[in-house]
Amino acid sequence: GENVEQHPSTLSVQEGDSAVIKCTYSDSASNYFPWYKQELGKGPQLIIDIRSNVGEKKDQRIAVTLNKTAKHFSLHITETQPEDSAVYFCAAPNYGGSQGNLIFGKGTKLSVKP
Amino acid sequence: DTEVTQTPKHLVMGMTNKKSLKCEQHMGHRAMYWYKQKAKKPPELMFVYSYEKLSINESVPSRFSPECPNSSLLNLHLHALQPEDSALYLCASSPGGSSRVLHSAQYFGPGTRLTVL
Repeated sequence: GENVEQHPSTLSVQEGDSAVIKCTYSDSASNYFPWYKQELGKGPQLIIDIRSNVGEKKDQRIAVTLNKTAKHFSLHITETQPEDSAVYFCAAPNYGGSQGNLIFGKGTKLSVKP
Repeated sequence: DTEVTQTPKHLVMGMTNKKSLKCEQHMGHRAMYWYKQKAKKPPELMFVYSYEKLSINESVPSRFSPECPNSSLLNLHLHALQPEDSALYLCASSPGGSSRVLHSAQYFGPGTRLTVL
């Protein structure tokens, strides 16, 4: 089955700086990679996703890049703001076990200091 | 509208109680999911319903019993839970069922914070 590793586990940046979170996956057949933001006391919110037929996708201050050869994908947040503080999860589909399910990374707690 | 609603927001129950968690979506999604999330951990899949039929049960104890009355509703019936079952229970939905070719986004509800005494 799929295995997803996420780094770093915690990230602290100054407001206005950029933040980068990286994930690696194991199944070369994986073709869909979402990123979720979870604020305290709330459910995960889908913020951006990418499919394997593109290498990069942007949505305002956030972007995701995908390197299929190296089997890793990254979340980039530019011009960070205090409201970006949250836990971020990457995920990839699990085809080997529960087909169609998502396997999540362990999460990155991002703190943006004003 | 990408909203999944869950009720109640908080639930406290004793080990002998029977309670139910409810989830609803009106996006026309055909797959619905229950996840369990412990503090500082990622969500863990419990059940998947695809086209109103249970397609995945991740070896969940029988004290958790899912039900999908129709394509918009998903319930999780709880009975004889243990204190270690205390967690945030998340419901999610996605447009399609399992698809190797084109995986679809999952949208999560706000969760039910469950405490078992």
